[in-house]
Amino acid sequence: DTAVSQTPKYLVTQMGNDKSIKCEQNLGHDTMYWYKQDSKKFLKIMFSYNNKELIINETVPNRFSPKSPDKAHLNLHINSLELGDSAVYFCASSRSLTGQGVVDYGYTFGSGTRLTVV
Amino acid sequence: RKEVEQDPGPFNVPEGATVAFNCTYSNSASQSFFWYRQDCRKEPKLLMSVYSSGNEDGRFTAQLNRASQYISLLIRDSKLSDSATYLCVVSLNTNAGKSTFGDGTTLTVKP
Repeated sequence: DTAVSQTPKYLVTQMGNDKSIKCEQNLGHDTMYWYKQDSKKFLKIMFSYNNKELIINETVPNRFSPKSPDKAHLNLHINSLELGDSAVYFCASSRSLTGQGVVDYGYTFGSGTRLTVV
Repeated sequence: RKEVEQDPGPFNVPEGATVAFNCTYSNSASQSFFWYRQDCRKEPKLLMSVYSSGNEDGRFTAQLNRASQYISLLIRDSKLSDSATYLCVVSLNTNAGKSTFGDGTTLTVKP
């Protein structure tokens, strides 16, 4: 069973198009993320959702809009795609233990979506 | 200054060598620390958490020095299969759940 699954794995599209990437996790985690890894392999956070609530929204163009219908799903919609959007987009999830304190157990990543804008 | 800094390498070592990576972080409020491994064209995978007391998993040993704000990873008896990029990750342990990734250190183990 795949723990964090993303679709599609590859996406080639023309500039100006709108596209979506879907992510689902079956780990029962309460936090999900989108990360972008550019051509230099730097991994940068874009968004974080905790129990369907947007927690982190880094400096990302508003052409990028995440949506979390439930805590097991986090989708990413991108409008008016640009050449600079070409990258690998990783979905990830984690669980955290609240109460006496938040504990970070680390992330489980999906296999990535390789987006190429032409 | 970057929040998490790693020597990008590349580190090229022969099989059987011992290799160490260091990572420094700038935020003294950081609470959780990890090493991830990323193979070429694959997703990052959690290698091990890093504790103040140090921890070991087979050939891998991780250390944390809070006073100097650095983390290390030691790999003994390197295998060809250890070739990958190693990412240092630091977390504040807030409800935001945000972790900051280093830019990675590339290791190539040669026969």
